[in-house]
Amino acid sequence: GIQVEQSPPDLILQEGANSTLRCNFSDSVNNLQWFHQNPWGQLINLFYIPSGTKQNGRLSATTVATERYSLLYISSSQTTDSGVYFCAVYNNAGNMLTFGGGTRLMVKP
Amino acid sequence: ETGVTQSPTHLIKTRGQQVTLRCSSQSGHNTVSWYQQALGQGPQFIFQYYREEENGRGNFPPRFSGLQFPNYSSELNVNALELDDSALYLCASSRDRDGSYTFGSGTRLTVV
Repeated sequence: GIQVEQSPPDLILQEGANSTLRCNFSDSVNNLQWFHQNPWGQLINLFYIPSGTKQNGRLSATTVATERYSLLYISSSQTTDSGVYFCAVYNNAGNMLTFGGGTRLMVKP
Repeated sequence: ETGVTQSPTHLIKTRGQQVTLRCSSQSGHNTVSWYQQALGQGPQFIFQYYREEENGRGNFPPRFSGLQFPNYSSELNVNALELDDSALYLCASSRDRDGSYTFGSGTRLTVV
């Protein structure tokens, strides 16, 4: 099956700093989502992004499907950005998400 | 528009028992998927239901079974619970089989 790798696995930032999270995947995919898992376990959908670039406030994402990677940018980080960020890709049948191992982000005040 | 709701939020069961977890999909969504997330790992796909039929299954044994109802809500049943079944169980709904997923808050199951 498809492999999804995220880097870095852990990241500590000072409030106000910028960061880039990376997601590499081993095969062509139909679609990709970025999620933020809060401390209570809920996965919050950040971006549904098969290709191109999208922006939502301080967050933006870029997927280059032909090169099999996606990037999540966090600018001017805040303590509320802390948590785990997951990248997940769809299989060709479109009925299953395969998740990466996540990036654990801690933003210090 | 209501989101995805799961119940119960927490559950403690004894090894060998059976458990049923419930999920109400977001309004307008006809597809429900279930995922298991062990501590410190990413979620793993269990199965998906589309219009009341199973539409794909991950690498989970048959003691994991499910249902989808005409209103698109869903149940996950696990028989003969094992200690390794302790995990966060997440339900997600989408408008179609390959649409954007919306996740619920999960059910945290502990098997003792």
